[in-house]
Amino acid sequence: EAAVTQSPRNKVAVTGGKVTLSCNQTNNHNNMYWYRQDTGHGLRLIHYSYGAGSTEKGDIPDGYKASRPSQENFSLILELATPSQTSVYFCASASTGKYAEQFFGPGTRLTVL
Amino acid sequence: GDSVTQTEGQVTVSESKSLIINCTYSATSIGYPNLFWYVRYPGEGLQLLLKVITAGQKGSSRGFEATYNKEATSFHLQKASVQESDSAVYYCALSENYGSSGNKLIFGIGTLLSVKP
Repeated sequence: EAAVTQSPRNKVAVTGGKVTLSCNQTNNHNNMYWYRQDTGHGLRLIHYSYGAGSTEKGDIPDGYKASRPSQENFSLILELATPSQTSVYFCASASTGKYAEQFFGPGTRLTVL
Repeated sequence: GDSVTQTEGQVTVSESKSLIINCTYSATSIGYPNLFWYVRYPGEGLQLLLKVITAGQKGSSRGFEATYNKEATSFHLQKASVQESDSAVYYCALSENYGSSGNKLIFGIGTLLSVKP
């Protein structure tokens, strides 16, 4: 029933390894977002997308890539994971329009050792 | 750039007591941001609690209220009588529009509310 799902929910990775976080939405929303949440910071935008095939840089894109192969799926890719990328990652979707609400997934806790 | 400040990282309130969580904002790039309160219950994603898009207006939901005060650049969250089920993390946010395609949210650090029975 959940409209925005994320996988995995928890991940432990090694430094230098590749990590892919996946997000799926059944809202048929054009816009999707990836945020990270760290203690002492609000959610910060990493990448976002207007629709299938598009990705845009957010406020903190360094060290991350994104992929939007379809309307439903939006992935966040860490090609060379570092301990500083240990965080909780949230995916969200929203329709277009200036007052559109964002709908969030449950989050992925990533630990890079 | 634009920013949102929540001064309390954690608040503990006894059940049935009143609550206020402070939020102030700075919107240098846009004159009239949209303002939001999101809530995150344990194990779940963030969900919208309330939003206000017009200065001077009040939003309300589930007994919570917040008024968009443009002069004070504030959007404090209040509830007259909290319940244990209100225990969660509360995030204040503002939106920056990037045209007709949608908006980008700027979040405060979040305030963990613990309600004691």
